[in-house]
Amino acid sequence: AQKVTQAQTEISVVEKEDVTLDCVYETRDTTYYLFWYKQPPSGELVFLIRRNSFDEQNEISGRYSWNFQKSTSSFNFTITASQVVDSAVYFCALSEARLGNTPLVFGKGTRLSVIA
Amino acid sequence: EPEVTQTPSHQVTQMGQEVILRCVPISNHLYFYWYRQILGQKVEFLVSFYNNEISEKSEIFDDQFSVERPDGSNFTLKIRSTKLEDSAMYFCASSERAGVGAETQYFGPGTRLLVL
Repeated sequence: AQKVTQAQTEISVVEKEDVTLDCVYETRDTTYYLFWYKQPPSGELVFLIRRNSFDEQNEISGRYSWNFQKSTSSFNFTITASQVVDSAVYFCALSEARLGNTPLVFGKGTRLSVIA
Repeated sequence: EPEVTQTPSHQVTQMGQEVILRCVPISNHLYFYWYRQILGQKVEFLVSFYNNEISEKSEIFDDQFSVERPDGSNFTLKIRSTKLEDSAMYFCASSERAGVGAETQYFGPGTRLLVL
């Protein structure tokens, strides 16, 4: 069975600090996809990134970067120079790579509070 | 930018009543999903839908739940006889197609259901 663990329940940082959100996953599949979603206080789920298990290159998008380590089954998310607008709950998710619908398995989320 | 929409944003109902949650997926998407998030908890998969039939459902999706695509644009989730434990945020999502791999699921803003 697939499982996603986000061990950090809540994190508080001061604005401009860097912060890393951890995600560890379990799957028996050799091919799978990993995702991060952001849930701001307004409640919607905003897609941030999708990563194929074959692609272990790290990715950077502005102040966001992701570190995928297949050897440790981790897909960590770093926000550089955090801002108050980054305050949200961040979910890591996993799905199989197969044809058709692929339900997402979510972690419990990490609540990030960025203090001005 | 195309987005998934959901109505209503909030619904309050009495236990035992039927509710219908509505979603308009992104127009060229073919795969549709419902997830729910009990307050403060993780997002859980309910059901996926493709080609006018259920593709996969979770243990949560029991006989009290049903889904339908009544026309070319709407996708609905019906709960026949609501229970207190059905109180949650319900998210609709859609994805474009079935390639070899998990297509990104884009989520609507959610409907917050409160059962009294």
